This record gives sequence, C-alpha cells and structure tokens, in this order.
Amino acid sequence: GNSVTQMEGPVTLSEEAFLTINCTYTATGYPSLFWYVQYPGEGLQLLLKATKADDKGSNKGFEATYRKETTSFHLEKGSVQVSDSAVYFCALNLNTGGFKTIFGAGTRLFVKA
Amino acid sequence: DVKVTQSSRYLVKRTGEKVFLECVQDMDHENMFWYRQDPGLGLRLIYFSYDVKMKEKGDIPEGYSVSREKKERFSLILESASTNQTSMYLCASSLPERNTGELFFGEGSRLTVL
Repeated sequence: GNSVTQMEGPVTLSEEAFLTINCTYTATGYPSLFWYVQYPGEGLQLLLKATKADDKGSNKGFEATYRKETTSFHLEKGSVQVSDSAVYFCALNLNTGGFKTIFGAGTRLFVKA
Repeated sequence: DVKVTQSSRYLVKRTGEKVFLECVQDMDHENMFWYRQDPGLGLRLIYFSYDVKMKEKGDIPEGYSVSREKKERFSLILESASTNQTSMYLCASSLPERNTGELFFGEGSRLTVL
C-alpha cells in the first residue's frame, strides 16, 4: 500500500545548526510530495512541495528534493532558528485515483537558543 | 487570504453526548476533509467530501458521521462521544484532484471526552 515513513522525534538542535528530517515513501504511480509544518497551537500549513521527480521544493530556507530512485523527500535547512520549533509532517498525494493525502507520523523539532 | 475556520478550539464533553464540530472555508473549494491527529500516529482521515451532499469514508470512520449541506461548510458529528475519541480534530479543504492536492487546514478543535 501507500505509506510515508519519517524519522522519529523529537529532534533537538541548537540555533544555527543544520537540520535534516528524513522521509521515505511507498506509492503506486507518481505522487506529489509535501512537507507541512504545525506550529504550537495551530493547524498544519504547507511548507513546501514537489510534484515530480528531481523537483526541489523550497521555502523559508527549507529545501527538499523529490528523489524517485530512493523514494525519499528529506527536509533540510542550513541554519535553524528558535522560531522553527514545530512539528513537521511529510506527506504524499496521489494525483490520480483519489483525493487522499497520506501523512507521516510527524517529527517534533526543538531549537534551543 | 485563504481561510478555513473551525468553530470551536477547545471542547469538553461527557461520554454519550452528541458532539458537533463545524468547519467553514471561504475559498470555494470542492473538497473538504476531517482528520484526527494523535501523537505518534500523524493524521488519519475520518471522512471527506468532494461535493455538496457527497461524502466518502476515510480510514477511521467508525463512530463518526458528517454533513455537507453547503459547499463552504463541512460538519463532523460524534453521535455518542466516547473517551477514545479524545483527540485533536483538523478540518481541511482543497481544489479538485487535478490540482496537486495541497491542503488548507483550520487551526484544529481539541476535544476532551470525560
């Protein structure tokens, strides 16, 4: 079946550290891939997306590249800030055959000053 | 700006009570969704709707029902609340599936069932 696996948290980093949150997926067909972020007390919001292989999504200093050969979409940021503390969700959406978005379990990030 | 509004941020209910969670979107989106969010489990789809009066079961529909009488409004109903329905409930909307499938979320409704 279709699924998303992301690294377990929490991840704790110091400010200005490099961030990687791993995400791999299993899917039939050619999904679109997303990273959503949930700040404390809020709903999810789209952070970035990629719709086809080798696309790179980027936003607010975060990047992720759609790697079909490794079925991965790892999230990276070169220098994290305290304000990046949040829960990050990797997700896929199958563009044919349905509306469902499949989410990973989420990774909580704590950034210390 | 795109907006999905959930009527209640926090609710406390007793076992057996009927619970209504309301969601309104102002983007004229066809698709609307109800998810449940629990720690370690991510988001799980309860129900979704792709048009007025249309609904489809998601992955965990048991104990829930939905109503979509108007395009902008999608309601989640717990007919008889139970303690295992204590959770965060998230409403979302999206454009039709020919789009990339980006979801727009409300702020969530945290329900506690005693």
